[in-house]
Amino acid sequence: IAGITQAPTSQILAAGRRMTLRCTQDMRHNAMYWYRQDLGLGLRLIHYSNTAGTTGKGEVPDGYSVSRANTDDFPLTLASAVPSQTSVYFCASSRLAGSDNEQFFGPGTRLTVL
Amino acid sequence: GQNIDQPTEMTATEGAIVQINCTYQTSGFNGLFWYQQHAGEAPTFLSYNVLDGLEEKGRFSSFLSRSKGYSYLLLKELQMKDSASYLCAAMDSNYQLIWGAGTKLIIKP
Repeated sequence: IAGITQAPTSQILAAGRRMTLRCTQDMRHNAMYWYRQDLGLGLRLIHYSNTAGTTGKGEVPDGYSVSRANTDDFPLTLASAVPSQTSVYFCASSRLAGSDNEQFFGPGTRLTVL
Repeated sequence: GQNIDQPTEMTATEGAIVQINCTYQTSGFNGLFWYQQHAGEAPTFLSYNVLDGLEEKGRFSSFLSRSKGYSYLLLKELQMKDSASYLCAAMDSNYQLIWGAGTKLIIKP
């Protein structure tokens, strides 16, 4: 693995189903983030983790949960998907949480909830 | 509230110069980032400014005025591969990035 990967690349999901989006990085970055990107809107932060074992809520956390059991992995779970969760989801990481630390993005997961 | 404003779309000619403006209002301020995003791809980092002034990096430069809540990204010697969306993001007092909706830059030959 080189950098940050996400799986699946795309998914069509029935409303009410549970879904976990996977994110793995091999850069030993401490901080990780989940964003959603919708047409006409900026990236919106769903959840973040400043270091393994800790997580925090972003701007739009409702309907989503995360865990950070180790440094490399940061899965995002939709407990019961709804159509408004149709979006492109990006996972990102940075060496540290804070000012001049650029975020590196995964390739994204395109999720459609019907 | 927190807000980032940038133009939705701009058009420029290959070989020319273009300036993409961004204004921001955030609770606290810990720097201003610019990212490039090609269609269907992930954002990639271009620049970071935390002090007033111009930062130059090859064909790309970024400017910040903290007192005015204003930044711009300057792209010189435009190439067709520069056709992309350019995302402005300000870091607030909680070290979270507040993102603009992006400026789609169209380059014409």
